[in-house]
Amino acid sequence: GAVVSQHPSRVICKSGTSVKIECRSLDFQATTMFWYRQFPKQSLMLMATSNEGSKATYEQGVEKDKFLINHASLTLSTLTVTSAHPEDSSFYICSARARGTGANVLTFGAGSRLTVL
Amino acid sequence: EDKVVQSPLSLVVHEGDTVTLNCSYEVTNFRSLLWYKQEKKAPTFLFMLTSSGIEKKSGRLSSILDKKELFSILNITATQTGDSAVYLCAGIHGSSNTGKLIFGQGTTLQVKP
Repeated sequence: GAVVSQHPSRVICKSGTSVKIECRSLDFQATTMFWYRQFPKQSLMLMATSNEGSKATYEQGVEKDKFLINHASLTLSTLTVTSAHPEDSSFYICSARARGTGANVLTFGAGSRLTVL
Repeated sequence: EDKVVQSPLSLVVHEGDTVTLNCSYEVTNFRSLLWYKQEKKAPTFLFMLTSSGIEKKSGRLSSILDKKELFSILNITATQTGDSAVYLCAGIHGSSNTGKLIFGQGTTLQVKP
């Protein structure tokens, strides 16, 4: 089946630094990737939708200059948390939809736990 | 504003019990509702429901959608400790081109031996 590889799975960084999280579709072409954020004991909150070769669409309240999303190829999307602060500590998960498939066919990455000291 | 609300937020049962998890939704241009199981990391897909009144089953799990009352339930019979997880429901919003999912808060299920 479709596999989405996300890394790093865990990252600890100092406040003010930037962190990049990668999401790769291993055996399919992902035309659309979604980035979610999940706080402890809360649900997944959609941050942005990225389509290959175009700018990401951010949800209301998500700072696009802080959470940079790049979807440069059909198999790779990246989320960069710029100038991270402790309140950015969270679990970030990507999901991808393969080319030509319906909205329901989403494959999730394993998630990346970010801790900002 | 689109929203998906799940209840209960948490549940503790013993092995062998049957549980029913609830999900109500208000999603613009609703297309389908999805159920996921999350056991620490990535959610894994359980069911997709698009039509009202048609039960979907997979082993001890089953689910049904009521598009008139805007809710869905997930049933788990003869629960096992391996069923312990967070169960998420999500509504698909908008056209199939966007596939935007609106997630509920999740129900944390703990099954005790």
